[in-house]
Formats: sequence, C-alpha cells, structure tokens
Amino acid sequence: SQTIHQWPATLVQPVGSPLSLECTVEGTSNPNLYWYRQAAGRGLQLLFYSVGIGQISSEVPQNLSASRPQDRQFILSSKKLLLSDSGFYLCAWTGVSLDTQYFGPGTRLTVL
Amino acid sequence: KNEVEQSPQNLTAQEGEFITINCSYSVGISALHWLQQHPGGGIVSLFMLSSGKKKHGRLIATINIQEKHSSLHITASHPRDSAVYICAASGNQFYFGTGTSLTVIP
Repeated sequence: SQTIHQWPATLVQPVGSPLSLECTVEGTSNPNLYWYRQAAGRGLQLLFYSVGIGQISSEVPQNLSASRPQDRQFILSSKKLLLSDSGFYLCAWTGVSLDTQYFGPGTRLTVL
Repeated sequence: KNEVEQSPQNLTAQEGEFITINCSYSVGISALHWLQQHPGGGIVSLFMLSSGKKKHGRLIATINIQEKHSSLHITASHPRDSAVYICAASGNQFYFGTGTSLTVIP
C-alpha cells in the first residue's frame, strides 16, 4: 500500500534562517507531488507541484523553492524564512490521472 | 472570487442531528473531492465523485454537475465527526475551499 511521510512534524525557526522540509512517498511510482501551505484560519494554498523528477511548477511567487531529486522525494526549501512563512505545510500525491489526493501528516512551522 | 466556495464556514450541531455542508465551484472539473481535516492537522480523503451520489457509512456526498454544486451530508452526527471538512475541485489542478469547521456537541 502507498504511504506518504513528512518530516519534521513541528519546527520553530528564527526569521532569516534556512528551511528544508522533506516528503517521501512509498508504494507508487511516478506520482504527481504537491506542496501546500495552510495559514491559520485559511484554506489550502498550492505552492508547488511536480509531475516528474526535476520538474517543478510554482503557483505562488515567494521566497520558497522546491526540488524533486528522486521520483518519490519532494523537498521544500527556503534560504531565509519570513514571519509570513509560518503555517501548516502539507505534502500530497496523486496518480497521473489526478484522482484521489493523499496527504502527508504535515509540518507545523512557526517562524519567530 | 475563489474557484471553490463552501458554506457554512462554521457549524455547531447537537449529537444526532443531520448535517449538510455545501460546495459550489466555478471551474471546469473532472472530479469533486471531500476531505476531512482533524484538529491535529491530518487530512484524509472522504469522497471523490464526478456524478451522482456516494455513500460511506453515515456520510453521503452528492454532486450536480449542471449546477456546479456538491453537498456533504452527515446523518446521526456524533462528536467524533467534529473536524474541518474541505471541498476540492480537480481539473488540471486542485482548487480548495476554505473549509467548514464542524463541532458536534454531545
């Protein structure tokens, strides 16, 4: 069966520090991968999606970047965090037919 | 205007009540999804539907393609149903509603 992992579960970082969040998927190949952010009291905002290794599409201009170094690995990064980067970050995957989307457990990021 | 609108934003019900959450969308879609987000943040997919109606236990989801509208119903609600319910439309990408926060009081 397919599973999706995210780490860390929680993170507290100072403003200006770097960020690296990792997401890995097991039990499937060539998934579409997504990074979402959910700010407090708001809906899910799509940040990046990837249809294959090295293929990243950005939905929202920001100081975040994403990379997909392996088929089932998706990384969200920042060189310098802003206060506004605080939120709940979710990784998700779908098959190529964009059917049911499966979410990871999420990372709660607090930037102080 | 968001591509996906949900109502109500917040809902409080007594245990046993019948609950309806509504979702309207303005984009062309291949499927409509209902998701459940628990207080800890984890999200699970409840339904994916492209026409008609689906039922799983006490949960029922319906969609009217012509009216671009979907509803999620919960029969005989229970406190463990308390969660945020999110509607999402998928076409060439996913569009999410802002969620409906449901609290079921014993």
